[in-house]
Amino acid sequence: GQQLNQSPQSMFIQEGEDVSMNCTSSSIFNTWLWYKQDPGEGPVLLIALYKAGELTSNGRLTAQFGITRKDSFLNISASIPSDVGIYFCAGQLQGTSGSRLTFGEGTQLTVNP
Amino acid sequence: DADVTQTPRNRITKTGKRIMLECSQTKGHDRMYWYRQDPGLGLRLIYYSFDVKDINKGEISDGYSVSRQAQAKFSLSLESAIPNQTALYFCATSDPTGLWTQYFGPGTRLLVL
Repeated sequence: GQQLNQSPQSMFIQEGEDVSMNCTSSSIFNTWLWYKQDPGEGPVLLIALYKAGELTSNGRLTAQFGITRKDSFLNISASIPSDVGIYFCAGQLQGTSGSRLTFGEGTQLTVNP
Repeated sequence: DADVTQTPRNRITKTGKRIMLECSQTKGHDRMYWYRQDPGLGLRLIYYSFDVKDINKGEISDGYSVSRQAQAKFSLSLESAIPNQTALYFCATSDPTGLWTQYFGPGTRLLVL
């Protein structure tokens, strides 16, 4: 069953606002990934995190790998309309074979111009 | 040109029919995956393959089968489609040297009547 809890499930914000979403688990993850899915498309990788405590940025996006290795967050600063989409966290669960990812349920982001 | 392609992009079929979804990749990756996406459930792994001789069940393999015809091709079959297999299906690939980064196709939207 699902081992990642992603929140919030949906967000409605105004253009220019900052956004924060997170994923938590009761189990330890070795890797955290954040993907974005546009309507009618497959998920596209935004940020990959490989070490506990790691903080990584990609333009207006910043993500962190939690120290406990059981959580991660993604921040989007100064949101714009093209940020609309579904954001997924994913991770490799400790003890699973390499490359198998567990996905969160997704956060649906709507940005009002 | 897209690195990961899926055919068809949309399919409507009837209960009991056998259908095949196809995935091709030009990334040269050994590892390929099939996922299904349902609203509110994120992405769930159906089957995965680490090379042409290696096929593994994911978390929801019942009712599905796969074939790895070549390094670049990985097909998903529904032997006897049922309505609760209505979903969005994604193929993905990964390169073991790229850690756990997975690259997704555009998806196939399947409706089983």
